[in-house]
Amino acid sequence: SQTIHQWPATLVQPVGSPLSLECTVEGTSNPNLYWYRQAAGRGLQLLFYSVGIGQISSEVPQNLSASRPQDRQFILSSKKLLLSDSGFYLCACALNTGELFFGEGSRLTVL
Amino acid sequence: QKEVEQNSGPLSVPEGAIASLNCTYSDRVSQSFFWYRQYSGKSPELIMSIYSNGDKEDGRFTAQLNKASQYVSLLIRDSQPSDSATYLCAVNKNDYKLSFGAGTTVTVRA
Repeated sequence: SQTIHQWPATLVQPVGSPLSLECTVEGTSNPNLYWYRQAAGRGLQLLFYSVGIGQISSEVPQNLSASRPQDRQFILSSKKLLLSDSGFYLCACALNTGELFFGEGSRLTVL
Repeated sequence: QKEVEQNSGPLSVPEGAIASLNCTYSDRVSQSFFWYRQYSGKSPELIMSIYSNGDKEDGRFTAQLNKASQYVSLLIRDSQPSDSATYLCAVNKNDYKLSFGAGTTVTVRA
């Protein structure tokens, strides 16, 4: 079965600072990987998805970028954080049945 | 029009009652449908999936799908305080992405 590790679990960053969130997946190979963001009291917004190493699709234009340097590693980055980047960031992988399996999330607060 | 819409709630039900959650979707080509439960501060976890019209039962949960009406629902029977959470409806068009509703918050009163 799959396991998704996300880190850091919680972070507080000042506006204008950089960001790097990491996600690694175990128990599967060549997974489709996803970054979602959930703002306070809101639904899940798909940010990026990747079907393979170096292949990134962006769903919304914004202050963030993603990279997939290895098969089971997915990284979310920003050069300069905005207040609106605050939220709960979730990494997920797709299972064969079409559902998503989520990691435990990274909670970002931008001050 | 949002791709996936849910009653925002909150939905408050007494312990032992049936909680009924509704979800509609806009794209007729949608093929797979999921219900996730999300406890406060935690990540979503899958509780039900349904792919064809009709009912699907798993323990105290029943998912219902009507593709003609573009409607999917979740019933929670014999609601327990541990069922208090936000329930997210998700829809897959058989591309690589799931679209999520904003969620319905359920509170079960002891």
